[in-house]
Amino acid sequence: DTEVTQTPKHLVMGMTNKKSLKCEQHMGHRAMYWYKQKAKKPPELMFVYSYEKLSINESVPSRFSPECPNSSLLNLHLHALQPEDSALYLCASSRPGRGGQPQHFGDGTRLSIL
Amino acid sequence: GESVGLHLPTLSVQEGDNSIINCAYSNSASDYFIWYKQESGKGPQFIIDIRSNMDKRQGQRVTVLLNKTVKHLSLQIAATQPGDSAVYFCAETLDSNYQLIWGAGTKLIIKP
Repeated sequence: DTEVTQTPKHLVMGMTNKKSLKCEQHMGHRAMYWYKQKAKKPPELMFVYSYEKLSINESVPSRFSPECPNSSLLNLHLHALQPEDSALYLCASSRPGRGGQPQHFGDGTRLSIL
Repeated sequence: GESVGLHLPTLSVQEGDNSIINCAYSNSASDYFIWYKQESGKGPQFIIDIRSNMDKRQGQRVTVLLNKTVKHLSLQIAATQPGDSAVYFCAETLDSNYQLIWGAGTKLIIKP
């Protein structure tokens, strides 16, 4: 079992739907991340939150909207997604402060866009 | 590392033998390196890390070697078991940076 919990595990949605992915960690980590992973490829960084503030946005389309309500929770709000957005969405967290610390991943949400 | 398209590099190893997975990293300024294991249907799992002021670090059944001269990283797994079957990713970063640079991944297959 991982210490980063993601829900739901699977999500199927139409292109006009609005849904949210959720991530929770209780390791006291103050950096949290969203990644997108396509089959047979490494994860691609989307967003980084540091101390609950958005630190990095890797030019992600606005149909993806992150939110960090508190130090343990991270959400990714989805709206008007495209079929090419179908992927595994991974959340990760790491110790507070700068990098140079291992990121710990959840098992992801498998997203399918119809 | 560079993507090899739809086909991951694959390493087949006999159960009980040692496995060596190699990774060429890209940035000579990188000072922190991590190995992850990703099993089917799961997220990447942290295995071991190493900082640039070291050239070797050992964990339980795993050893990471760092050769900064040729920008090469390797993961050695002793006495490979069926549970070691997975895709293994190396990643590099600057110690001051949240952004990881990932290798393409290597699929490890264990032959019975």
